Amino acid sequence: NAGVTQTPKFQVLKTGQSMTLQCAQDMNHNSMYWYRQDPGMGLRLIYYSASEGTTDKGEVPNGYNVSRLNKREFSLRLESAAPSQTSVYFCASSTGTGGLSGANVLTFGAGSRLTVL
Amino acid sequence: AQSVAQPEDQVNVAEGNPLTVKCTYSVSGNPYLFWYVQYPNRGLQFLLKYITGDNLVKGSYGFEAEFNKSQTSFHLKKPSALVSDSALYFCAVRDRGNNRLAFGKGNQVVVIP
Repeated sequence: NAGVTQTPKFQVLKTGQSMTLQCAQDMNHNSMYWYRQDPGMGLRLIYYSASEGTTDKGEVPNGYNVSRLNKREFSLRLESAAPSQTSVYFCASSTGTGGLSGANVLTFGAGSRLTVL
Repeated sequence: AQSVAQPEDQVNVAEGNPLTVKCTYSVSGNPYLFWYVQYPNRGLQFLLKYITGDNLVKGSYGFEAEFNKSQTSFHLKKPSALVSDSALYFCAVRDRGNNRLAFGKGNQVVVIP
């Protein structure tokens, strides 16, 4: 049972470099999300996709782009990395097509730790 | 906008003693409430949720939480803590009227053998 798989697990970038975080789920979930986790701040939503073909901004979308490639995959791209984007990034998915509405439970990946120097 | 407060950074408890992790919330309407747990180097795992009905919700691993509307609280409890319960616990709230889910900052629980 793979659940939600994120790659890479660790990445070090220099300021200005670009990279893409990959996420795939095998639970046939409709909605997918990208969060960042910073000490003392909990989880903050970057972008989400309520269903295949749709994406929406969350609380902290600046500096990021996303692509819902198909129902299984949802990638997060940093076009020009900045030190403020040093964080742990989590991908999650849930059933239903309402995105964050309803009482949908999120299933999280193991996280990707990104350091921007 | 909804928000969650988890007032304690760290909760220390002796193994076998009751464990309580506090959570208060703020929403404009009626809430959905959740608890998630994060073990080291892992993603968050769902523990339990409150939707409606009975104010006492039972979840995974012997955890339960009590919804208190007048105090806008949703404290997580376990009658007898285990060393394996040592982890980071997150409370989250969703306002039924909008599309946003707010997480608290998390509470580190340390169970001392």
